[in-house]
Amino acid sequence: DGGITQSPKYLFRKEGQNVTLSCEQNLNHDAMYWYRQDPGQGLRLIYYSQIVNDFQKGDIAEGYSVSREKKESFPLTVTSAQKNPTAFYLCASSPSWYTVSGANVLTFGAGSRLTVL
Amino acid sequence: RKEVEQDPGPFNVPEGATVAFNCTYSNSASQSFFWYRQDCRKEPKLLMSVYSSGNEDGRFTAQLNRASQYISLLIRDSKLSDSATYLCVVINQGGKLIFGQGTELSVKP
Repeated sequence: DGGITQSPKYLFRKEGQNVTLSCEQNLNHDAMYWYRQDPGQGLRLIYYSQIVNDFQKGDIAEGYSVSREKKESFPLTVTSAQKNPTAFYLCASSPSWYTVSGANVLTFGAGSRLTVL
Repeated sequence: RKEVEQDPGPFNVPEGATVAFNCTYSNSASQSFFWYRQDCRKEPKLLMSVYSSGNEDGRFTAQLNRASQYISLLIRDSKLSDSATYLCVVINQGGKLIFGQGTELSVKP
């Protein structure tokens, strides 16, 4: 079945450490996204990629980095510069970045829950 | 003012009740609208798109009011399994998805 795989599901990090969250999709989608979700808040966009070898900062990119070397992969690194990294991280993909038809819906991975000790 | 706003709830309703959620958006040029469902500690999943003419899927009805800039979700005959957080999603004219903070629904026996 096609879908998005995120790993690890749970991750614990000590302060000052960088961690990388994996996101792989086999949906042949061009666009991929990373969101962060904190309790009682909506999803906030960290980074997005409209196409392979391209990515753009979202609303809260500080302290994060990404790469998009392959169409199916969009890993997120949470660096030590991120002041409050404990959160639920969601990777998503869509067929393309933009359409007016309303068909450009997101498919999410199961999420990675990061806790800083 | 937030671009997309929802009543966070929680909405506590008995089984069989009808419940409605609203979501307001500030950008009049917004193009597309969706409702997602998110179960506790899980990823959001698409519930339904919202079309200008309104649309229905079983017990769920979604409507769009462009003049007043809100979308709504109506759930009839609530089931225990409807308990979840419902996220409103708006796509603006630049193609960016904006999420509401979600409305929590708890259906009680």
